[in-house]
Amino acid sequence: AQSVAQPEDQVNVAEGNPLTVKCTYSVSGNPYLFWYVQYPNRGLQFLLKYITGDNLVKGSYGFEAEFNKSQTSFHLKKPSALVSDSALYFCAHNYNQGGKLIFGQGTELSVKP
Amino acid sequence: DTGVSQDPRHKITKRGQNVTFRCDPISEHNRLYWYRQTLGQGPEFLTYFQNEAQLEKSRLLSDRFSAERPKGSFSTLEIQRTEQGDSAMYLCASSLGTGSGTGELFFGEGSRLTVL
Repeated sequence: AQSVAQPEDQVNVAEGNPLTVKCTYSVSGNPYLFWYVQYPNRGLQFLLKYITGDNLVKGSYGFEAEFNKSQTSFHLKKPSALVSDSALYFCAHNYNQGGKLIFGQGTELSVKP
Repeated sequence: DTGVSQDPRHKITKRGQNVTFRCDPISEHNRLYWYRQTLGQGPEFLTYFQNEAQLEKSRLLSDRFSAERPKGSFSTLEIQRTEQGDSAMYLCASSLGTGSGTGELFFGEGSRLTVL
């Protein structure tokens, strides 16, 4: 089955340190991959997407993600975490390129001062 | 605010009652999606429309669930004979659908359903 997986339920990082939120995919063909963030009591917000081209994708709020075909991964990264980055992060792929997104189970990021 | 709006934001109902949620997408978006999210889980796809046509329904969607988008603008999601297992956040999203389907989805803040 085509899917994405987020192996960590929770990631804890100190403010100012780099952060990584992991995502692996199992998708046939060319994967269209996305990252979304969900703040408490808010809707999901788009961060970035990989469709084709450069493997390093830059997105909103200083986030970036690296597409790695050999490792079938699309990890989300930020060089210096902020307390305000604390939220739920979801990796997703575009199933069959039909517009429907299939989401991973989410990773809760906690950034402590 | 020109984002996706959902109404009501919270609904508490008794088991067996019917509930209806409304979603108003971003006006120029032709695709509209419904998802369900329970605590600690990622959003699960329920159904989506392109204009007024319902193009796909998840097998998760029992026949107690029905969605419409009669004029290709707003959409409603109705749950009949609610069960406690229906308690969840119901999310609506819209997108400007392209042939390649690479456009991002824009989500509303959700309608939280509690079935007592």
